[in-house]
Amino acid sequence: NAGVMQNPRHLVRRRGQEARLRCSPMKGHSHVYWYRQLPEEGLKFMVYLQKENIIDESGMPKERFSAEFPKEGPSILRIQQVVRGDSAAYFCASSPGRGTDTQYFGPGTRLTVL
Amino acid sequence: QKEVEQNSGPLSVPEGAIASLNCTYSDRGSQSFFWYRQYSGKSPELIMFIYSNGDKEDGRFTAQLNKASQYVSLLIRDSQPSDSATYLCAVLNQAGTALIFGKGTTLSVSS
Repeated sequence: NAGVMQNPRHLVRRRGQEARLRCSPMKGHSHVYWYRQLPEEGLKFMVYLQKENIIDESGMPKERFSAEFPKEGPSILRIQQVVRGDSAAYFCASSPGRGTDTQYFGPGTRLTVL
Repeated sequence: QKEVEQNSGPLSVPEGAIASLNCTYSDRGSQSFFWYRQYSGKSPELIMFIYSNGDKEDGRFTAQLNKASQYVSLLIRDSQPSDSATYLCAVLNQAGTALIFGKGTTLSVSS
Protein backbone atom coordinates (compact mmCIF):
# COMPACT_ATOMS: atom_id res chain seq x y z
CA ASN A 1 0.00 0.00 0.00
CA ALA A 2 1.87 3.02 -1.27
CA GLY A 3 2.04 6.00 1.02
CA VAL A 4 1.67 9.65 0.13
CA MET A 5 3.92 10.46 -2.81
CA GLN A 6 5.48 13.81 -3.53
CA ASN A 7 7.68 14.96 -6.36
CA PRO A 8 10.11 16.31 -6.96
CA ARG A 9 11.89 15.60 -3.68
CA HIS A 10 14.28 18.49 -4.25
CA LEU A 11 13.64 21.53 -6.40
CA VAL A 12 15.98 24.42 -7.12
CA ARG A 13 14.63 27.60 -8.66
CA ARG A 14 16.04 31.04 -9.32
CA ARG A 15 14.22 34.10 -8.05
CA GLY A 16 11.28 34.96 -10.28
CA GLN A 17 10.77 31.43 -11.62
CA GLU A 18 7.75 29.23 -10.97
CA ALA A 19 7.74 26.16 -8.73
CA ARG A 20 5.25 23.30 -9.13
CA LEU A 21 5.02 20.72 -6.38
CA ARG A 22 2.99 17.54 -6.85
CA CYS A 23 1.29 15.28 -4.34
CA SER A 24 -0.49 11.98 -4.83
CA PRO A 25 -2.49 10.90 -1.76
CA MET A 26 -2.54 7.44 -0.29
CA LYS A 27 -4.82 4.96 -2.02
CA GLY A 28 -8.36 5.45 -0.76
CA HIS A 29 -7.69 8.98 0.50
CA SER A 30 -9.54 11.88 -1.07
CA HIS A 31 -8.47 14.68 1.27
CA VAL A 32 -5.17 16.50 0.76
CA TYR A 33 -3.42 19.06 2.95
CA TRP A 34 -0.34 21.15 2.28
CA TYR A 35 2.01 22.34 5.02
CA ARG A 36 5.19 24.39 4.92
CA GLN A 37 8.16 24.10 7.26
CA LEU A 38 10.54 27.04 7.15
CA PRO A 39 14.09 26.55 8.50
CA GLU A 40 14.02 26.45 12.31
CA GLU A 41 10.24 26.93 12.27
CA GLY A 42 7.31 24.67 12.97
CA LEU A 43 4.98 23.15 10.42
CA LYS A 44 2.38 25.63 9.20
CA PHE A 45 -0.90 24.70 7.51
CA MET A 46 -1.41 26.17 4.07
CA VAL A 47 -4.42 24.65 2.35
CA TYR A 48 -6.90 21.75 2.48
CA LEU A 49 -8.45 20.33 -0.67
CA GLN A 50 -10.81 17.62 -1.77
CA LYS A 51 -11.18 16.57 -5.38
CA GLU A 52 -11.90 19.72 -7.44
CA ASN A 53 -12.57 21.81 -4.33
CA ILE A 54 -10.55 24.05 -2.04
CA ILE A 55 -12.06 23.65 1.41
CA ASP A 56 -9.78 25.80 3.58
CA GLU A 57 -7.03 28.06 2.24
CA SER A 58 -6.66 30.20 5.35
CA GLY A 59 -2.94 29.48 5.58
CA MET A 60 -2.06 30.33 2.00
CA PRO A 61 -0.15 33.54 1.31
CA LYS A 62 -2.46 35.91 -0.52
CA GLU A 63 -0.21 36.34 -3.52
CA ARG A 64 1.82 34.02 -5.76
CA PHE A 65 0.58 30.78 -4.18
CA SER A 66 -2.20 28.58 -5.53
CA ALA A 67 -3.29 24.98 -5.14
CA GLU A 68 -5.51 22.56 -6.99
CA PHE A 69 -6.63 18.95 -6.77
CA PRO A 70 -8.16 18.01 -10.11
CA LYS A 71 -10.56 15.17 -10.73
CA GLU A 72 -7.73 13.20 -12.29
CA GLY A 73 -4.12 13.39 -11.27
CA PRO A 74 -2.16 14.70 -8.31
CA SER A 75 -2.67 17.80 -6.23
CA ILE A 76 -0.47 20.70 -7.33
CA LEU A 77 0.94 23.50 -5.20
CA ARG A 78 2.10 26.29 -7.45
CA ILE A 79 4.35 29.15 -6.42
CA GLN A 80 4.78 31.91 -8.95
CA GLN A 81 7.74 34.33 -9.05
CA VAL A 82 9.55 32.60 -6.21
CA VAL A 83 11.59 34.62 -3.71
CA ARG A 84 14.32 33.46 -1.34
CA GLY A 85 11.85 33.46 1.55
CA ASP A 86 9.95 30.65 -0.17
CA SER A 87 12.86 28.27 0.50
CA ALA A 88 11.40 25.63 2.77
CA ALA A 89 10.21 22.05 3.01
CA TYR A 90 6.71 21.60 1.65
CA PHE A 91 4.82 18.61 2.97
CA CYS A 92 1.64 17.09 1.67
CA ALA A 93 -0.60 14.96 3.87
CA SER A 94 -3.69 12.94 3.09
CA SER A 95 -6.58 11.44 5.00
CA PRO A 96 -9.52 9.22 4.10
CA GLY A 97 -12.01 11.71 5.45
CA ARG A 98 -12.32 14.97 7.25
CA GLY A 99 -12.32 15.80 10.91
CA THR A 100 -10.74 13.33 13.26
CA ASP A 101 -9.22 11.20 10.50
CA THR A 102 -5.48 10.99 10.86
CA GLN A 103 -3.32 12.82 8.37
CA TYR A 104 -0.39 10.89 6.90
CA PHE A 105 2.53 12.84 5.54
CA GLY A 106 4.51 12.43 2.37
CA PRO A 107 8.31 12.73 2.19
CA GLY A 108 8.18 16.41 1.31
CA THR A 109 9.66 18.63 -1.38
CA ARG A 110 12.68 20.71 -0.39
CA LEU A 111 12.52 23.95 -2.35
CA THR A 112 15.65 26.07 -2.62
CA VAL A 113 15.44 29.50 -4.21
CA LEU A 114 18.75 30.90 -5.41
CA GLN B 1 -4.60 33.05 16.96
CA LYS B 2 -4.81 29.41 18.02
CA GLU B 3 -1.52 28.22 19.45
CA VAL B 4 0.22 25.04 20.48
CA GLU B 5 3.18 25.41 22.80
CA GLN B 6 6.00 22.96 23.43
CA ASN B 7 9.31 23.23 25.25
CA SER B 8 11.91 23.22 22.47
CA GLY B 9 14.45 21.29 24.53
CA PRO B 10 16.73 19.61 23.99
CA LEU B 11 15.49 17.00 26.40
CA SER B 12 18.28 14.59 27.21
CA VAL B 13 17.64 11.21 28.83
CA PRO B 14 19.79 8.10 29.24
CA GLU B 15 18.92 4.90 27.45
CA GLY B 16 16.23 2.96 29.29
CA ALA B 17 14.78 6.00 31.05
CA ILE B 18 11.32 7.52 30.65
CA ALA B 19 11.09 10.60 28.44
CA SER B 20 8.23 13.00 29.17
CA LEU B 21 7.15 15.47 26.51
CA ASN B 22 4.57 18.16 27.18
CA CYS B 23 2.28 20.35 25.13
CA THR B 24 -0.35 23.00 25.88
CA TYR B 25 -2.94 24.42 23.51
CA SER B 26 -5.01 27.57 23.52
CA ASP B 27 -8.27 26.55 21.82
CA ARG B 28 -10.53 25.11 24.50
CA GLY B 29 -12.84 23.68 21.83
CA SER B 30 -10.17 21.39 20.36
CA GLN B 31 -11.13 17.73 20.30
CA SER B 32 -8.37 15.81 18.52
CA PHE B 33 -4.70 15.63 19.42
CA PHE B 34 -1.75 14.00 17.72
CA TRP B 35 1.91 13.28 18.34
CA TYR B 36 4.27 13.05 15.38
CA ARG B 37 7.96 12.19 15.34
CA GLN B 38 10.27 13.89 12.87
CA TYR B 39 13.84 12.82 12.25
CA SER B 40 16.19 15.46 10.87
CA GLY B 41 15.55 16.01 7.17
CA LYS B 42 12.56 13.66 7.14
CA SER B 43 8.79 14.02 7.19
CA PRO B 44 6.53 13.79 10.26
CA GLU B 45 5.56 10.27 11.22
CA LEU B 46 2.43 9.65 13.30
CA ILE B 47 3.06 8.09 16.70
CA MET B 48 -0.29 8.41 18.44
CA PHE B 49 -3.60 10.22 18.49
CA ILE B 50 -5.89 10.83 21.45
CA TYR B 51 -9.41 12.21 21.63
CA SER B 52 -10.62 11.49 25.17
CA ASN B 53 -9.41 12.63 28.57
CA GLY B 54 -7.06 10.18 30.27
CA ASP B 55 -4.31 7.90 29.09
CA LYS B 56 -3.85 5.94 25.89
CA GLU B 57 -1.08 3.37 25.64
CA ASP B 58 0.56 1.88 22.55
CA GLY B 59 3.66 -0.18 23.19
CA ARG B 60 6.31 2.00 24.80
CA PHE B 61 4.28 5.16 24.20
CA THR B 62 1.55 6.66 26.40
CA ALA B 63 -0.38 9.77 25.47
CA GLN B 64 -2.15 11.70 28.21
CA LEU B 65 -4.88 14.29 27.68
CA ASN B 66 -6.37 16.75 30.16
CA LYS B 67 -8.87 18.98 28.38
CA ALA B 68 -9.65 21.01 31.50
CA SER B 69 -6.00 22.03 31.75
CA GLN B 70 -5.58 22.13 27.95
CA TYR B 71 -2.59 19.85 28.28
CA VAL B 72 -1.31 16.89 26.28
CA SER B 73 1.73 14.80 27.05
CA LEU B 74 3.66 11.89 25.60
CA LEU B 75 5.61 9.42 27.71
CA ILE B 76 8.21 7.18 26.12
CA ARG B 77 9.22 4.26 28.31
CA ASP B 78 12.53 2.39 27.97
CA SER B 79 13.89 5.16 25.72
CA GLN B 80 16.24 4.01 22.96
CA PRO B 81 18.86 5.99 21.00
CA SER B 82 16.63 5.48 17.95
CA ASP B 83 13.97 7.59 19.70
CA SER B 84 16.23 10.62 19.32
CA ALA B 85 14.20 12.98 17.15
CA THR B 86 11.94 16.02 17.29
CA TYR B 87 8.46 15.32 18.64
CA LEU B 88 5.65 17.44 17.30
CA CYS B 89 2.40 18.01 19.14
CA ALA B 90 -0.52 18.78 16.82
CA VAL B 91 -4.08 19.87 17.50
CA LEU B 92 -6.86 19.62 14.94
CA ASN B 93 -8.74 22.89 14.55
CA GLN B 94 -12.45 22.92 15.36
CA ALA B 95 -13.41 22.97 11.68
CA GLY B 96 -11.50 19.73 11.21
CA THR B 97 -9.57 21.19 8.30
CA ALA B 98 -6.05 21.81 9.61
CA LEU B 99 -3.51 20.59 12.13
CA ILE B 100 -1.93 23.28 14.27
CA PHE B 101 1.57 22.23 15.23
CA GLY B 102 3.85 23.18 18.07
CA LYS B 103 7.45 23.91 17.19
CA GLY B 104 8.51 20.55 18.56
CA THR B 105 10.66 19.20 21.36
CA THR B 106 14.04 17.72 20.48
CA LEU B 107 14.73 14.48 22.37
CA SER B 108 18.22 13.06 22.72
CA VAL B 109 18.65 9.55 24.14
CA SER B 110 22.21 8.69 25.07
CA SER B 111 23.52 5.12 25.15
